[in-house]
Order: sequence, then C-alpha cells, then structure tokens
Amino acid sequence: AQSVTQPDIHITVSEGASLELRCNYSYGATPYLFWYVQSPGQGLQLLLKYFSGDTLVQGIKGFEAEFKRSQSSFNLRKPSVHWSDAAEYFCAVGYILTGGGNKLTFGTGTQLKVEL
Amino acid sequence: DTEVTQTPKHLVMGMTNKKSLKCEQHMGHRAMYWYKQKAKKPPELMFVYSYEKLSINESVPSRFSPECPNSSLLNLHLHALQPEDSALYLCASSQEWRGQSTGELFFGEGSRLTVL
Repeated sequence: AQSVTQPDIHITVSEGASLELRCNYSYGATPYLFWYVQSPGQGLQLLLKYFSGDTLVQGIKGFEAEFKRSQSSFNLRKPSVHWSDAAEYFCAVGYILTGGGNKLTFGTGTQLKVEL
Repeated sequence: DTEVTQTPKHLVMGMTNKKSLKCEQHMGHRAMYWYKQKAKKPPELMFVYSYEKLSINESVPSRFSPECPNSSLLNLHLHALQPEDSALYLCASSQEWRGQSTGELFFGEGSRLTVL
C-alpha cells in the first residue's frame, strides 16, 4: 500500500527566508508525486507534480521540488518565502486505478506560518 | 480561479434531513471524485467516477450516495447523517484517457457540512 509521511506538522519561517518542506513516500512502483497547498476553508491548489523525467520540477508561485528515488523523498523548496505563502501544504502520492481515475493518498500536512 | 464549482458552500442539516451536494466542471475531464476532509486532517477519498461509472467506493457508509448524471456533473446525496459526518466535502476532477492519465486532480473549494 502506498503511504506518505510529512514529518513536520508545523514550520515557522521569517518572510524572505528559504523554505524546505519534507515528504517521504512508500510505493512499490514509480510514483506520481504531488504537492498541494490549502488556505483556510479553501480547496486544494496544485503547486507541482512529478511523473517522470527531470527529477527537479518547477511549480507555481516560485516553488520547486526534487524527486530522490534513493531516499524516497520529494521535498518542496522555495528560496524566499512571502507572507502570502502561509497555508497548509500536502504531499501526495498517486497511482492509476484499473477501473479508471487516480487514487491520491495525502500526507498529514505541514502548517506553514510566516513571520513578518 | 477554480474550474470545479461546488454548491452549496455551506450546509447545515439535521440527522433526519435529505440533502445533496453538487459539483460541476467544464474542463472536459472524465474522472470525478469526492473527498472528505475533517478539520486539521488530510483529505480522504470517498468515491471515484470514470466515464460516469463508479470506479471505486472506499467503504463509505450507505448514508452517502454518489451520482454522476453526466461527465460534467457529480452529486453526493446525503441522508440520515450523523454529527461525526460534519466535514469539508471536496469535489475534484482529472483528465482521463486510457492508460495516459495525467494524474493530477483539480479541486473545488468544497462544501462545508454541519450535521446537528
């Protein structure tokens, strides 16, 4: 069974500082990996995804993530955090269902607080 | 702006009521999903539809009844719910074509349900 671990429940960074959110996954085959962001009371917005190819992927809002198969990790990074980045961040692993659609399993999330 | 529209945004219902949540997308996606999200928790998959057929039911109680009338619409019929069913219900959709799904889900902003 697939699973995702986000070891950091809460992270606080100063505005302008760099950010790294950790994600480790467990999946038998080549995974589809995602990072989503959720503001309070809102839906989830896709930041970036990895399916194959270049292991460093670029996303929206200046985010990037690096897939490291040897470490089963897919950490999210941003060189300079803005106050508007404060939100909940979810890492997810997915696979295609034989009956159609995709099954995404989410990590428990990391709550990011940005200090001004 | 999200291209998955959910109505209503907020719903309060008693345990004997019958209500429905609605979801609509116009991106031409052929897979649609219902997720349930409790406060401070990650989304949990409930149902997946692919080409208007139920692909997966994650052992959801029968008081939740999904319906996919066409490829753009997804409903969740609610009956005899319990207070513990109070949560944010998220609808999502994804591109789907045989063997070449992009995997990423596009989420609506959710319907916040309160069961009294």
